[in-house]
Amino acid sequence: AQSVTQLDSHVSVSEGTPVLLRCNYSSSYSPSLFWYVQHPNKGLQLLLKYTSAATLVKGINGFEAEFKKSETSFHLTKPSAHMSDAAEYFCVVSFLTSGTYKYIFGTGTRLKVLA
Amino acid sequence: GAVVSQHPSWVICKSGTSVKIECRSLDFQATTMFWYRQFPKQSLMLMATSNEGSKATYEQGVEKDKFLINHASLTLSTLTVTSAHPEDSSFYICSARVGGLDIQYFGAGTRLSVL
Repeated sequence: AQSVTQLDSHVSVSEGTPVLLRCNYSSSYSPSLFWYVQHPNKGLQLLLKYTSAATLVKGINGFEAEFKKSETSFHLTKPSAHMSDAAEYFCVVSFLTSGTYKYIFGTGTRLKVLA
Repeated sequence: GAVVSQHPSWVICKSGTSVKIECRSLDFQATTMFWYRQFPKQSLMLMATSNEGSKATYEQGVEKDKFLINHASLTLSTLTVTSAHPEDSSFYICSARVGGLDIQYFGAGTRLSVL
């Protein structure tokens, strides 16, 4: 069975400090994992994707995530937070069922960036 | 590339009326589109999977007669909320899958308010 757990519902950081958003997954197969960002009243924007090519994945806007199979984790990081990073972040695992790839979403982490 | 357009972004309707939401893939052909519902401060819930030229597959608990989905072309899927009631008020988001890849690209969402 596939599942995604985002360990923190809210994270607050000061502008210019590092960001860490945690995600653990459970998958019967080699998973495809994603991070998406959602700004208020907007759709989801793809930040990055892991598909087994490299364990450290670089995404847009300075974000990156490291896939750790031994820890079943896919944490999202950014060295220095910007005010514009304040948003909701979703960790997603993709799995194939009945010939279609479906997503399972984590419950989301709301990132607050303090001036 | 991979832009998904969703229209309208906001709609207010009276109870008992029907509302149609459009989801278009602008620069690619989407054999599969997905419709999600998002309640305030919650994650996305998959409502149905829509394949071009065939009937949509609804998730358990989603009323297919209330949420009509049509995927008549490779670039357009529509969701019609029939006989809308206040409890149908929500944020609806569509996504489209690119070919055989497992990445989904999301529309900006539609906020439905039923009075």
